[in-house]
Formats: sequence, C-alpha cells, structure tokens
Amino acid sequence: DSGVTQTPKHLITATGQRVTLRCSPRSGDLSVYWYQQSLDQGLQFLIQYYNGEERAKGNILERFSAQQFPDLHSELNLSSLELGDSALYFCASSVASQNYDEQFFGPGTRLTVL
Amino acid sequence: TQLLEQSPQFLSIQEGENLTVYCNSSSVFSSLQWYRQEPGEGPVLLVTVVTGGEVKKLKRLTFQFGDARKDSSLHITAAQPGDTGLYLCAVRDSSYKLIFGSGTRLLVRP
Repeated sequence: DSGVTQTPKHLITATGQRVTLRCSPRSGDLSVYWYQQSLDQGLQFLIQYYNGEERAKGNILERFSAQQFPDLHSELNLSSLELGDSALYFCASSVASQNYDEQFFGPGTRLTVL
Repeated sequence: TQLLEQSPQFLSIQEGENLTVYCNSSSVFSSLQWYRQEPGEGPVLLVTVVTGGEVKKLKRLTFQFGDARKDSSLHITAAQPGDTGLYLCAVRDSSYKLIFGSGTRLLVRP
C-alpha cells in the first residue's frame, strides 16, 4: 500500500460524458501527479500540482483539466469523452517538488468509455 | 519515436530460470529508474541508478546502468511467480518530468 488513494477504482461511461477522478496523496506529500496508461501509448505524464498550484504539464488534452485543493487532494476532470480516452489513470504523490523526489503511485482508476 | 525502448516486450519463463530485460536509448541520462507494476496496482520504484557502469542489487534482481548512461539492464536470478509483472524503466526529461518506457511484461510460470 503506497498510501495514495484513488476513487473510483472502475468507471464506465459513454462517449460525450464528463467524469471526475479523485486522488488523495500520502500524508505530508505536497505534490500530486496524474498519469494515463493505455495499451498503445504506455504510461504518460499528464500534469503535476504542487501545494495547490500547477507545476508542470505533459501531454494533457484540452478536454482534460485538474486541480489540487487546500487539503491537497486532487481531481482530474475528463470531458467530452471519446473511446480513445479509455485507459488506466494513475495519481502519484511526492513530498515536495524536487526533481528527484520519489513518486508513490496509487492503484489507479480504470476508465472505460463505451 | 519512443525515448526509451524496452525489450523484450513479453517474456514467459518457468520458475527458477534466469532472465534479462533491457532499456535502451540514444540519449544520455543523468539517472534512470526501474519500476515494477503488478496487475491492478500502480508502479512501484525498485531502484535508481545514477553513475555510468553502476550495478545495484536488490535480492535476486541486479540492475546495471550502461557506461555511457544511455541504457540499462535488469537481470533476475531464479525467477519466482511473485516476480510476475510489468517492468518499466523511466528517466527525467529536460524539464524533469518522468518519461516511461513501454515496459516488459514478465510471466513466471510455477
């Protein structure tokens, strides 16, 4: 158990819909990272937040957005869903924002878009 | 084009056998990490190698960073079913974001 929690574990929805994925970091961690893992693209970095502020952006689509709240939990919002958005979405956390901080991954949310 | 190429993509072996998986790139890195991801879970960091030629051991797992810091290998001795999983290598890009390879999926049959 990494100490990072993600809900829900599974999510099935239809194209065009909007969903919200939730992540609670390890106690004391200020940074939250979101990743997408699909069979064809592998594990890809989407976005990082540090203490409530966006810190780094990766290959995140404009239809996707995220935020980190004052209690440090984070949400990833996915809208206008397409079939290709079906994937595992992982959240990770680290103590700070240092480049070599170890990231601890949650168990993921499996999103299926029908 | 993938920054990190991992091989083989899939490996199915019998318990007790040895194996080596590879992570290759044409770029030079200051460090490289190996993760293991088990079904239904997120990746877990196994090791970070930082020096060219460095060898690190974690029980039956031996990790080596290439002399030129462009590649790495992971060798497992006497594989066990508990070693089954997806092995991922990862590096930091120029803006220090983690970039993962496509992974080697290992199945160790009892």
